Amino acid sequence: DAGVIQSPRHEVTEMGQEVTLRCKPISGHDYLFWYRQTMMRGLELLIYFNNNVPIDDSGMPEDRFSAKMPNASFSTLKIQPSEPRDSAVYFCASSLESGRANIRTFGSGTRLTVV
Amino acid sequence: QKEVEQNSGPLSVPEGAIASLNCTYSDRGSQSFFWYRQYSGKSPELIMSIYSNGDKEDGRFTAQLNKASQYVSLLIRDSQPSDSATYLCAVYSSASKIIFGSGTRLSIRP
Repeated sequence: DAGVIQSPRHEVTEMGQEVTLRCKPISGHDYLFWYRQTMMRGLELLIYFNNNVPIDDSGMPEDRFSAKMPNASFSTLKIQPSEPRDSAVYFCASSLESGRANIRTFGSGTRLTVV
Repeated sequence: QKEVEQNSGPLSVPEGAIASLNCTYSDRGSQSFFWYRQYSGKSPELIMSIYSNGDKEDGRFTAQLNKASQYVSLLIRDSQPSDSATYLCAVYSSASKIIFGSGTRLSIRP
């Protein structure tokens, strides 16, 4: 199993540009999560999907952020326009629904720097 | 009050000693509790999960849960330099969300 695959690993972009982060979850996992990690705020849940449907996007900071999951094997997180305060590591994670044991498997993350 | 609180550290422990990491949570309805380890520049990886009051042991790791006190801890016996990392406490809340603490940075000194 290749695990959760994210791309790109690093992204440097100029303020105002559009940024798209990509994620391929583990095959068979019904849940997909997007997290953002910063030193100041720690690991924050942005949005999660169940069976490709967005369930809770209350963590999405602003309308500049959007996420899609067009099929079971692919999801994107888009920031448009990007701002320097969006600089963070963005993790995608997936899991099986198994009662209380909602164990997440994380991808390697995308380190985003907005200058 | 944060939903999941951890001391940010750094916690410095000599090699071979016991490292004790603590976590408190605010939601009394929480049912599942997890410890993740995150090496610098890497993603979090699950190392322990616990669901019932008491202790759960896995190799050098022991997770302890006290629901009455809303307290979870992780003990690492015979600490090794390779245990140096940030340890994240995570709680599956009654709102069906996993909430992560901000993590405790652990440093094992030779």
